[in-house]
Amino acid sequence: DAGVIQSPRHEVTEMGQEVTLRCKPISGHDYLFWYRQTMMRGLELLIYFNNNVPIDDSGMPEDRFSAKMPNASFSTLKIQPSEPRDSAVYFCASSRPTIRDLPGELFFGEGSRLTVL
Amino acid sequence: GNSVTQMEGPVTLSEEAFLTINCTYTATGYPSLFWYVQYPGEGLQLLLKATKADDKGSNKGFEATYRKETTSFHLEKGSVQVSDSAVYFCALPGSYDKVIFGPGTSLSVIP
Repeated sequence: DAGVIQSPRHEVTEMGQEVTLRCKPISGHDYLFWYRQTMMRGLELLIYFNNNVPIDDSGMPEDRFSAKMPNASFSTLKIQPSEPRDSAVYFCASSRPTIRDLPGELFFGEGSRLTVL
Repeated sequence: GNSVTQMEGPVTLSEEAFLTINCTYTATGYPSLFWYVQYPGEGLQLLLKATKADDKGSNKGFEATYRKETTSFHLEKGSVQVSDSAVYFCALPGSYDKVIFGPGTSLSVIP
């Protein structure tokens, strides 16, 4: 089975440009999570979806960030306009639902490394 | 809410050395506990888990025992290899199906 697929793997852009990161979760997984990882702040949860519906976007840093999940097999994270401080590795992860207080195992993609100049 | 604390890194060990990475948690009740591992250039992956007190999770030679008395879930391995060089994250459930990760501990194993 294919794992979580993210694209692009690397993105270098200039400040002010729009960036779109893409994610295809594992088929059958109801949950999709977007994380950001930096040396300074570690791993941060930005937003997550359940059955394509955003559940908690409290981790989205600013209005410049937006995420969508138009169907069960695709999600995007968009940054517009991008800034140098957005440089990070962005991970998408998917999982099955929690069962009897045991969260489903998170399956992570390989990440999208974003550099904003 | 639930939270997790783990030892600061980086940790550098020689091959075949004994490894311990400390993890303590604060939680309501007795949640499941996890260790995730991130190899260089990859996303995180589940290493092991324990679902109730006194359970021992194990995988790839790593072990962790769920200690409710000390609210701990320390990761151990008797003999580390160069291929174990990675970042290790302790984790537990948060609210509404989220997973709360610790800050991660970087391990470097030198030949």
